[in-house]
Amino acid sequence: RKEVEQDPGPFNVPEGATVAFNCTYSNSASQSFFWYRQDCRKEPKLLMSVYSSGNEDGRFTAQLNRASQYISLLIRDSKLSDSATYLCVVSTSGGGADGLTFGKGTHLIIQP
Amino acid sequence: GEEVAQTPKHLVRGEGQKAKLYCAPIKGHSYVFWYQQVLKNEFKFLISFQNENVFDETGMPKERFSAKCLPNSPCSLEIQATKLEDSAVYFCASSQSRLRTDTQYFGPGTRLTVL
Repeated sequence: RKEVEQDPGPFNVPEGATVAFNCTYSNSASQSFFWYRQDCRKEPKLLMSVYSSGNEDGRFTAQLNRASQYISLLIRDSKLSDSATYLCVVSTSGGGADGLTFGKGTHLIIQP
Repeated sequence: GEEVAQTPKHLVRGEGQKAKLYCAPIKGHSYVFWYQQVLKNEFKFLISFQNENVFDETGMPKERFSAKCLPNSPCSLEIQATKLEDSAVYFCASSQSRLRTDTQYFGPGTRLTVL
């Protein structure tokens, strides 16, 4: 079983729609959780960290369910520029010091 | 610098040749990481350094791969006797500290093609 599992998609979504991605992780010792975004094989860039209480950053909302070992990302009012691969990432302790474990990514295509 | 720098951008090697990749972390960052991303988007953690000391090498293949971070020099990842399956994009990342809230910043990657 993969440590971090995501639906690879692609998700084809019309501009302005709301889209949600999920991922599950297998290591119950995981402590830090992130969503990264990767464009066209460029470097991954941090979109947001995910906290137990859930957090929001503009059009993006992330949720964490530790009991179910499940992380979600919601994108509201999607823009063409949101087209990318979204990577679910976990770390067993500090995000700053430990090797990150990546999901395979979910490919999102926003259509005009 | 303000960004993680990696050189070269692209590297082509014949099977059996050596490949050496370089990474300059963001100035002031103490931790450096190497990741390998193969075709199907799967990232694999290879090794991390705290300054010039190996911090975690659990992901590093036992043979052919080595890495260093020496003072006042870019960090390097070296692959001896490359194989076809080493073809991948190799990303370097750096972070300031080991705080849980700290972020790893990624460089643009080196695309290695082994023919």
